[in-house]
Amino acid sequence: GDSVTQMEGPVTLSEEAFLTINCTYTATGYPSLFWYVQYPGEGLQLLLKATKADDKGSNKGFEATYRKETTSFHLEKGSVQVSDSAVYFCALTGQGAQKLVFGQGTRLTINP
Amino acid sequence: GAVVSQHPSRVICKSGTSVKIECRSLDFQATTMFWYRQFPKQSLMLMATSNEGSKATYEQGVEKDKFLINHASLTLSTLTVTSAHPEDSSFYICSARTGGEKLFFGSGTQLSVL
Repeated sequence: GDSVTQMEGPVTLSEEAFLTINCTYTATGYPSLFWYVQYPGEGLQLLLKATKADDKGSNKGFEATYRKETTSFHLEKGSVQVSDSAVYFCALTGQGAQKLVFGQGTRLTINP
Repeated sequence: GAVVSQHPSRVICKSGTSVKIECRSLDFQATTMFWYRQFPKQSLMLMATSNEGSKATYEQGVEKDKFLINHASLTLSTLTVTSAHPEDSSFYICSARTGGEKLFFGSGTQLSVL
């Protein structure tokens, strides 16, 4: 079945560092790919998404590119801030499916 | 944006007792709500899909008699963990889907069964 694998956390960085959180997936056909973020005490929020190969999703300085050849959707940000500290989830919906399949989440902590 | 309120955020209970978790859509009507469970260092796993006014659809391997889901109105779904045991200790999270197919998530409930 469909699955998502994220890099294990926790990840701790200093402010203004470059961030990469790896995400790879297994799915048949052409899934849609998502990154969700959960700030402390809040629900998951959609951060960005991409629905077809080579699409780039972006929001709040974060970017991720749908790479079908490597089945990856890595999350990147050029300069992180303390306010980016959160748990980040990579997810997909399979082609024609409504259900979200999540990775295990990566906890990110940014130190000032 | 739309808000989904999940309550309680944390609950500790004794083995054998039942625990109810509520999920409310505060400013929209949710015909469909989803319940997920996450064990430490594992993925969020879909447990069941509930549609207002009908029985929930459970994922394979989820015991419907243990995890009772009620979606009695367009703004409220409840998950009751019956006769909870330590192995039910987990993080439970709900989500609600708007008519425009957008998903909004609650903040989750950490259940600890002693």
